[in-house]
Amino acid sequence: AQTVTQSQPEMSVQEAETVTLSCTYDTSESDYYLFWYKQPPSRQMILVIRQEAYKQQNATENRFSVNFQKAAKSFSLKISDSQLGDAAMYFCAYRGAYYGGATNKLIFGTGTLLAVQP
Amino acid sequence: NAGVTQTPKFQVLKTGQSMTLQCAQDMNHEYMSWYRQDPGMGLRLIHYSVGAGITDQGEVPNGYNVSRSTTEDFPLRLLSAAPSQTSVYFCASSRQWNTEAFFGQGTRLTVV
Repeated sequence: AQTVTQSQPEMSVQEAETVTLSCTYDTSESDYYLFWYKQPPSRQMILVIRQEAYKQQNATENRFSVNFQKAAKSFSLKISDSQLGDAAMYFCAYRGAYYGGATNKLIFGTGTLLAVQP
Repeated sequence: NAGVTQTPKFQVLKTGQSMTLQCAQDMNHEYMSWYRQDPGMGLRLIHYSVGAGITDQGEVPNGYNVSRSTTEDFPLRLLSAAPSQTSVYFCASSRQWNTEAFFGQGTRLTVV
């Protein structure tokens, strides 16, 4: 079964600094999707970034980028120039690329709570 | 374009009561799902649907029922509420089963 592990329950970063959130996953599938979701205090789940496993190039969305290491099954999120509005819970998630069975669902990690210090 | 709309946002139930959490999306998405979020456990899939008339169980389906009579709506029914069902519930939809999921704002349910 696929699992997603976020080993950092809480992180803190100074405003304008860079922070990296860790995520590792376990799967026997060769093709899949990885996501980072942000959940601010409003509770809304917001997609931050998405990575297709077959793409070697790391995904980037403005100040957010990932370091995708397929062999190591690692998918870390880097936030550059951190802003107060980045404070939130961040969830790493996995979804299989082929329809059927357990890979239909998004499998979430337990989350990392990011605090941004002014 | 409202996206995914969940109602209510907050609800308190007594043990044994039943209720329905509503979820509607206006993006013509085929795939819809329900998750529950509990502290320290991330989000876990309750039920999902790949299209109108088709539903299936997720990771934690016990105590919940769903139906999908239209593409737009995917209600979640609690048959006989228990304190273990105290949680935050999220409905999500996506164009296809493997594309980006859009989430509703969640329902905080407390069962006393």
